[in-house]
Amino acid sequence: ETGVTQSPTHLIKTRGQQVTLRCSSQSGHNTVSWYQQALGQGPQFIFQYYREEENGRGNFPPRFSGLQFPNYSSELNVNALELDDSALYLCASSLPGPDTQYFGPGTRLTVL
Amino acid sequence: QKEVEQNSGPLSVPEGAIASLNCTYSDRGSQSFFWYRQYSGKSPELIMFIYSNGDKEDGRFTAQLNKASQYVSLLIRDSQPSDSATYLCAVNEGAQKLVFGQGTRLTINP
Repeated sequence: ETGVTQSPTHLIKTRGQQVTLRCSSQSGHNTVSWYQQALGQGPQFIFQYYREEENGRGNFPPRFSGLQFPNYSSELNVNALELDDSALYLCASSLPGPDTQYFGPGTRLTVL
Repeated sequence: QKEVEQNSGPLSVPEGAIASLNCTYSDRGSQSFFWYRQYSGKSPELIMFIYSNGDKEDGRFTAQLNKASQYVSLLIRDSQPSDSATYLCAVNEGAQKLVFGQGTRLTINP
């Protein structure tokens, strides 16, 4: 157990809907990163939050957005869901910089 | 786009043998390297990290890094059926993100 929690565990949405995924970081970790993992692929970096600000973003469109709260927990929001958004969404917490990232259990999103 | 390459496998190894997993990366400036294990339907679990050239051992696991050849490997000694999983190699790009390979699926045969 890494101490990183995510909710919900599973989620089914239809195309065009919006979704919010949540993450609580490991105690003492103030940096949260989000990754998308499609079936059979490695995780792809979406973005990272540090001190409530976005601190780096991968190659994802603006309909992927996030928040970080003062207690370091975080949300990932995806608008206008597409079928290709179906994936395992992973949250990882760490200290700032190129530090080891510890993953939560993930949220499995299915878009129909 | 920085790249991390792994053989997707599947790699099949008999129980008790040494499993050797390999990874190459494109960014010569990369400084931090990680191996994660991922069981089917679960999230990645950190096994080892390595920053310096050479070998780093932790129990049955040894990570090897060769920055000149841009190559990192993971050896698993005395392989057990519970080691059957997908192994993900990851490299830090800048201070923020991890770049992952697609993973190598390892099967340990009893």
